[in-house]
Amino acid sequence: AQSVTQPDIHITVSEGASLELRCNYSYGATPYLFWYVQSPGQGLQLLLKYFSGDTLVQGIKGFEAEFKRSQSSFNLRKPSVHWSDAAEYFCAVGANNAGNMLTFGGGTRLMVKP
Amino acid sequence: DVKVTQSSRYLVKRTGEKVFLECVQDMDHENMFWYRQDPGLGLRLIYFSYDVKMKEKGDIPEGYSVSREKKERFSLILESASTNQTSMYLCASRTGPEQYFGPGTRLTVT
Repeated sequence: AQSVTQPDIHITVSEGASLELRCNYSYGATPYLFWYVQSPGQGLQLLLKYFSGDTLVQGIKGFEAEFKRSQSSFNLRKPSVHWSDAAEYFCAVGANNAGNMLTFGGGTRLMVKP
Repeated sequence: DVKVTQSSRYLVKRTGEKVFLECVQDMDHENMFWYRQDPGLGLRLIYFSYDVKMKEKGDIPEGYSVSREKKERFSLILESASTNQTSMYLCASRTGPEQYFGPGTRLTVT
């Protein structure tokens, strides 16, 4: 069975500082990987996804993530955080097959200091 | 753009009431999902549906049922609401690996 761990429940960064949110997954083959963002009171919006190919993927809002097979990780990064990035971030893993159910991590809540 | 809508953003119900949460998608997606979201637990799958009138249990189906009479609509039913069902409920749909989410319904059972 697949699983996802987001080790950091809360992270606080200063506006303009760089950001890295960690995600570790467990899955026997190459998975589909996703990062979603949830602003307060909203649903989930897809930031970026990895299916295959280049292990560094670019997403919306200036975010990127790197798939590292050897570390079973898919960490999300942004070089300069904006106050509007304050939200909850979810990493998800999907099986690379027709059934393809998503398993979500527990989420990381990002707070941005002015 | 894919649009997934949910009938209510906020709902307050009493213990023992029957509760219906409605979800509609406009992209002719075959697969639809209901999740509940609780702090620190992420999203947990309640039920999903591969097609009209077809449903499968997810990880936490107890206390819930679903209905899918039309392709665009997927309903979550709480037969007798309990306080431990107070949560955020999210609906999603997909045709490929990526899921598209609605805005969520925050349900409070008192």
